[in-house]
Amino acid sequence: AQSVTQLGSHVSVSEGALVLLRCNYSSSVPPYLFWYVQYPNQGLQLLLKYTTGATLVKGINGFEAEFKKSETSFHLTKPSAHMSDAAEYFCAVRRLDSNYQLIWGAGTKLIIKP
Amino acid sequence: DAGITQSPRHKVTETGTPVTLRCHQTENHRYMYWYRQDPGHGLRLIHYSYGVKDTDKGEVSDGYSVSRSKTEDFLLTLESATSSQTSVYFCAISSTRLDEKLFFGSGTQLSVL
Repeated sequence: AQSVTQLGSHVSVSEGALVLLRCNYSSSVPPYLFWYVQYPNQGLQLLLKYTTGATLVKGINGFEAEFKKSETSFHLTKPSAHMSDAAEYFCAVRRLDSNYQLIWGAGTKLIIKP
Repeated sequence: DAGITQSPRHKVTETGTPVTLRCHQTENHRYMYWYRQDPGHGLRLIHYSYGVKDTDKGEVSDGYSVSRSKTEDFLLTLESATSSQTSVYFCAISSTRLDEKLFFGSGTQLSVL
């Protein structure tokens, strides 16, 4: 069965430091992959997605993610953290047997230290 | 921002009572979804709709029913609420399949006592 694993329920970085949020998936074929962000007391919004083509995907707010098939990973990065990046981040993969359903990771809460 | 309104935003109810949550969209999107969010579980799909009167079950549909009589409204009903249904419920919409992006409402915090 497909699954998504996000390493670390909480990640803490200093303002200005590199942000790295890890996501690994299990899938028999290259999947469609997504990162969503949830700011406090809000719904989720799409950061970026990988479908086909270029494996380095750029998203909003300076985030990017790289699809690495050999490592079954889709890690999210940002070169320099800002206080406004504090939020919860969710990785998701589209189910192979459904166009309507995503399988979600448990989420990683990003904490930014001043 | 996509026009999605969830109501109510907060609700406290007692075990055994019926509860209906409403999702209203002004985007005329075809696809609508109900998710629940629980700590450590991420989001789990309850039910979804791919058109008026066309709905199907998600991965955690037991104890929930839905209806979609108009494009803009998608109702989630807990027939007899249980404490295990205490959660944050999110409605989402998309114009096409999940190849495109989901737009989420602000959520409903439901507490079943």
